[in-house]
Amino acid sequence: SQQGEEDPQALSIQEGENATMNCSYKTSINNLQWYRQNSGRGLVHLILIRSNEREKHSGRLRVTLDTSKKSSSLLITASRAADTASYFCATETSGSRLTFGEGTQLTVNP
Amino acid sequence: SQTIHQWPATLVQPVGSPLSLECTVEGTSNPNLYWYRQAAGRGLQLLFYSVGIGQISSEVPQNLSASRPQDRQFILSSKKLLLSDSGFYLCAWSPKNRGEEKLFFGSGTQLSVL
Repeated sequence: SQQGEEDPQALSIQEGENATMNCSYKTSINNLQWYRQNSGRGLVHLILIRSNEREKHSGRLRVTLDTSKKSSSLLITASRAADTASYFCATETSGSRLTFGEGTQLTVNP
Repeated sequence: SQTIHQWPATLVQPVGSPLSLECTVEGTSNPNLYWYRQAAGRGLQLLFYSVGIGQISSEVPQNLSASRPQDRQFILSSKKLLLSDSGFYLCAWSPKNRGEEKLFFGSGTQLSVL
């Protein structure tokens, strides 16, 4: 069964706007990761946040983690057309392999 | 730097034919290796992972098998393909010397079984 579930399934915004994607999970985690996938390509690791961390930044990316609500959000600020891709959260738990959600398809219109 | 190679990029095979997809990693040793399958517009399903030569764990019973004949080589195989084997197959690796399972993916193989 899926551990992480992204919301929304699809998001369409204009260039320059911020994009927020959410991920909810069911069991306690060691860390949560976000990946990006351009159409027809492999996934690329974006950022990892550990269970004892609440917020992390990398360039225009900001990830938050709320372990009490079992949820995470990925914020992309000042979006660009090149940010158009699918974004996946993945959770790592003790004794289990990394589990991916279904993804959010982000479209940034120029 | 480390790189991962996966081929072919696309493959069209008839039902009942065999399959062999190959993945190799360069620039690292003793990696964890993974095979994932992705249906169109969906998330990733872990098929197999390996922590060392000859050590394969299967996550989902299916028509596929995996082998790791060398440290940095991971092969996905089938003796007879089914229509349901169609999908996007991704190979990935992760370093073993870190506490976290951070994955690095190949570019994928789009398999169509007709």
